[in-house]
Amino acid sequence: RKEVEQDPGPFNVPEGATVAFNCTYSNSASQSFFWYRQDCRKEPKLLMSVYSSGNEDGRFTAQLNRASQYISLLIRDSKLSDSATYLCVVNLYNNNDMRFGAGTRLTVKP
Amino acid sequence: DVKVTQSSRYLVKRTGEKVFLECVQDMDHENMFWYRQDPGLGLRLIYFSYDVKMKEKGDIPEGYSVSREKKERFSLILESASTNQTSMYLCASTLGGQGDEKLFFGSGTQLSVL
Repeated sequence: RKEVEQDPGPFNVPEGATVAFNCTYSNSASQSFFWYRQDCRKEPKLLMSVYSSGNEDGRFTAQLNRASQYISLLIRDSKLSDSATYLCVVNLYNNNDMRFGAGTRLTVKP
Repeated sequence: DVKVTQSSRYLVKRTGEKVFLECVQDMDHENMFWYRQDPGLGLRLIYFSYDVKMKEKGDIPEGYSVSREKKERFSLILESASTNQTSMYLCASTLGGQGDEKLFFGSGTQLSVL
């Protein structure tokens, strides 16, 4: 089993759609989780942290399910500008060893 | 804003050459990381460092070494470059500690080994 695993994608959705990505992690003791966004030929940038109670930032909602060891990212009312690769990141052993999922490519079409 | 600077955007080297990739951050961050990114594999951690002269192996340290002599600088060394080390290399840093785990990335170095 991979330590951090994401939906393989790609996801191709129309503008206005709602899309959700999941990411599973191997260490039940992991404490910190994040979603990053990476545009083509650019470096990854933090989209949002994932808190135990779930958190929302505009059209984006992140949730954590500790029992099943996964995090999710929900994007509502997709925009063309949301097209990117979304990377799940876990501080897997709580020692700042930040591990990435392989990424999920999202394309939002007109 | 934190700035993480990688010395080269593109690099072409020959098999067997010794290669140095340099990374400098300007915000006194404790932790620094080297990743490589390959299509379909995402970012894989090579090494990270949580303090000067300290280093920890990541997922794929084989064929690489690192050096952190000063807090702001973290170097990745390919002792004898091979074609399977052709990749995008990304350096990152974090302040460190709970709540300060945001990764700041450099722009990346696309290394081609011929």
